[in-house]
Amino acid sequence: GENVEQHPSTLSVQEGDSAVIKCTYSDSASNYFPWYKQELGKRPQLIIDIRSNVGEKKDQRIAVTLNKTAKHFSLHITETQPEDSAVYFCAASLMDSSYKLIFGSGTRLLVRP
Amino acid sequence: GAVVSQHPSRVICKSGTSVKIECRSLDFQATTMFWYRQFPKQSLMLMATSNEGSKATYEQGVEKDKFLINHASLTLSTLTVTSAHPEDSSFYICSASPPWTGHEQYFGPGTRLTVT
Repeated sequence: GENVEQHPSTLSVQEGDSAVIKCTYSDSASNYFPWYKQELGKRPQLIIDIRSNVGEKKDQRIAVTLNKTAKHFSLHITETQPEDSAVYFCAASLMDSSYKLIFGSGTRLLVRP
Repeated sequence: GAVVSQHPSRVICKSGTSVKIECRSLDFQATTMFWYRQFPKQSLMLMATSNEGSKATYEQGVEKDKFLINHASLTLSTLTVTSAHPEDSSFYICSASPPWTGHEQYFGPGTRLTVT
């Protein structure tokens, strides 16, 4: 089955700097890669996703890149703000009839004011 | 759109009792819902895929007789933790995918279960 690895486990950046979180996956058939942000005690919120027919996607300060050959994808947050502090999870999914997501282990991002 | 609710948000039960958690899609129909468990400072672990009108599909290592899933309608799935033990204490979260989103999953607010 699919296995998703995520690095780093913790990341501390100065406000205004960029943050990069990386994930690798094992199943080459995976073709949908969402990123979720989870604040303490709250539900995960979808922040951006990418499908395998696209190499990069951007939404304001957030971007995701995908390298299917290497089986890795990354989340880039620019001009970080203290409210970006949260745990970020990557996930991978086969867009087949199950659509189930396999999550990475999470990255705790701290943006220092 | 794409609102998923859960009830209750918190529950405390005694060891040996059963607890039922509800997951509802409020503004869309969901033939499939997913149940996850999240321990403190850990990731979301998929427990099972809930299928409307048929049996749930459990992930490896998840006891189907302990975690009973019923998806009786297109807007409701329930997870019953039977004979709960302290080690079942966790954050249980469901998710569903609205048909217009291309399989984006939206999560419920979660249920914090504490077994004493």
